[in-house]
Amino acid sequence: GDSVTQMEGPVTLSEEAFLTINCTYTATGYPSLFWYVQYPGEGLQLLLKATKADDKGSNKGFEATYRKETTSFHLEKGSVQVSDSAVYFCALISRSGTASKLTFGTGTRLQVTL
Amino acid sequence: GAGVSQSPRYKVAKRGQDVALRCDPISGHVSLFWYQQALGQGPEFLTYFQNEAQLDKSGLPSDRFFAERPEGSVSTLKIQRTQQEDSAVYLCASSPSGVANTGELFFGEGSRLTVL
Repeated sequence: GDSVTQMEGPVTLSEEAFLTINCTYTATGYPSLFWYVQYPGEGLQLLLKATKADDKGSNKGFEATYRKETTSFHLEKGSVQVSDSAVYFCALISRSGTASKLTFGTGTRLQVTL
Repeated sequence: GAGVSQSPRYKVAKRGQDVALRCDPISGHVSLFWYQQALGQGPEFLTYFQNEAQLDKSGLPSDRFFAERPEGSVSTLKIQRTQQEDSAVYLCASSPSGVANTGELFFGEGSRLTVL
């Protein structure tokens, strides 16, 4: 079945450092891809998405490009802030009959320090 | 606040007890999902409702797990005869339409179940 593989954390960075969190997927066809974020004490929320190959999703300084050649959707940010400390989940849409659902990776915890 | 609300936030059960977890989705949201998140893992799909119809329950791990949404709004996830492996955070999420349209689900904060 469809699956998502993320780099393991935790990732610890100093403020203003460059961030990359790797994500690759296995799926039939070309599913829409997503990054969700879970801040401490809050529910998961959508960070960005891309619906087709070569699309770039972006939000809050984060970017991810849908690469079908490498089946990847790596999350990047040029300069992280302490407030970016959270758990990041890569996800794709899986279809089963008439129903669709999100399939998530295991998550990558990011800790940003001053 | 008009977000997804889950209760209880924390539940401790003795092995063998039955538990019920409640989800109040955002008003008017058609789709409702339940996910199970074990410690250090990503959310795993349990079941999906479109209004009151349960369209996919392929993720329910055993027949001890049962979910309902009788009036197409509030949903309850029931776990019978809880086992230690049921310990996890149970997440509820809703969406205005099917997830295939936008991919955006609105999540609650979860109900953390600990089975002793």
